[in-house]
Amino acid sequence: AVQLTQSPSSLSASLGDRVTITCRASQGIGNELGWYQQKPGKAPELLIYAASSLQSGVPSRFSGSQSGTDFTLTITGLQPEDFASYYCLQDNNWPYSFGQGTKLEIK
Amino acid sequence: EVQLVQSGAELKKPGESLKISCQASGYNFPTYYVGWVRQMAGKGLEWVGIVRPSDSDTLYSPSFEGQVTISADRSINTAYLQWSSLKASDTAMYFCARVTGLGIVAYWGQGTLVTVSS
Repeated sequence: AVQLTQSPSSLSASLGDRVTITCRASQGIGNELGWYQQKPGKAPELLIYAASSLQSGVPSRFSGSQSGTDFTLTITGLQPEDFASYYCLQDNNWPYSFGQGTKLEIK
Repeated sequence: EVQLVQSGAELKKPGESLKISCQASGYNFPTYYVGWVRQMAGKGLEWVGIVRPSDSDTLYSPSFEGQVTISADRSINTAYLQWSSLKASDTAMYFCARVTGLGIVAYWGQGTLVTVSS
């Protein structure tokens, strides 16, 4: 099974900051990775798919990149609504897997 | 508009059975896998399993194999997650979601909170 190692598990940042979250896959998954934002009590929302494609309606301050089996989510210019939890997801092969999550908090 | 609407919260006792549902609308239901995701309180997201409504092909994550049953009824565009004998450790929020590939899970149900307590 593909393991996704996501880091950091928590992150404190200020409004306007640039933050990066990484996800490392235990084996090759092509570009079959998405990034999700989740707020308490709500379903996750898709931000990035195919490693670097921005989902329709998602602000352009969110971006994704890939280098081999390393994937990165970058948020440039943090807004108040961005403080939430973030997860990566691979659906290259079953069982699909999520990263452990990153909780982004206000400093 | 694609929508996934889940059944309401459940409070059950250990050993009881339960079947929760996820009704899809706004797209051709047989075409896409529907998955179930568990989230225990304060924890991360875990895949339970997925079902392909066109032929009911079902895959389970190893941790859930034999513990739950996933099914789909194409006639009413609905997927199900069921337990035959609940445990306290099944207490969690369960989300259904439409799976497309390339990391795309763009549509989610609102979640069903299952509480198992004596």
